Amino acid sequence: DIQMTQSPSTLSASVGDRVTITCRASQSINRWLAWYQQKPGQAPILLIYEASSLESGIPSRFSGSFSGTEFTLTISSLQPDDFATYYCQQYNSYPTFGQGTKVEMK
Amino acid sequence: EVQLVESGGDLVQPGRSLRLSCAASGFRFDDYAMYWARQAPGKGLEWVSSISWNGGSTDYADSVKGRFTISRDNAENSLYLQMNSLRPEDTALYYCAKSTHSGGGFSPLDSWGQGTLVVVSS
Repeated sequence: DIQMTQSPSTLSASVGDRVTITCRASQSINRWLAWYQQKPGQAPILLIYEASSLESGIPSRFSGSFSGTEFTLTISSLQPDDFATYYCQQYNSYPTFGQGTKVEMK
Repeated sequence: EVQLVESGGDLVQPGRSLRLSCAASGFRFDDYAMYWARQAPGKGLEWVSSISWNGGSTDYADSVKGRFTISRDNAENSLYLQMNSLRPEDTALYYCAKSTHSGGGFSPLDSWGQGTLVVVSS
């Protein structure tokens, strides 16, 4: 199985901050990576697919990039609605998720 | 609007069986592959199983292979997960999710239900 190592596990930030979350794959997954946002008691929401494509309806402050096996989700200016847990998911082979990054208020 | 509504979750004893259902609406169900994923209490997400648009291709996580069976009824716009030989480690919120494409292989999941809770305990 492909392992996805996500960091940090928790991130403390303030409204307006630029936030970066990283996911590293244990082997090449090309660009087959998605990012999700999940709030407590709610289902995940797809934010980014194919590493850098913004899902319809998602604000443009969310962006994704990658280099090799390292993938990054960036929130350019954190908004109050963005405090949540974020997961990466590779779908190059049997899907696996990262452990999650909780973005909390500083 | 895409809607996915799971049902069938319950408290069951280890070794018993349970069948989950997912009723889909708001999209052409037989155009898309479908998934089950789960989330143990306080934990992260785990892919469980997936099925192609016509049921011709199915895949399972190693943790459930041989015990769980995914199926679909396109006439009824419904997805199912038959879970046998349940274990305490299967305790989780089970989500039904829609793929972004139709075939085998894997994809992002662009719509999720709210989940149905399965608790395996004696």
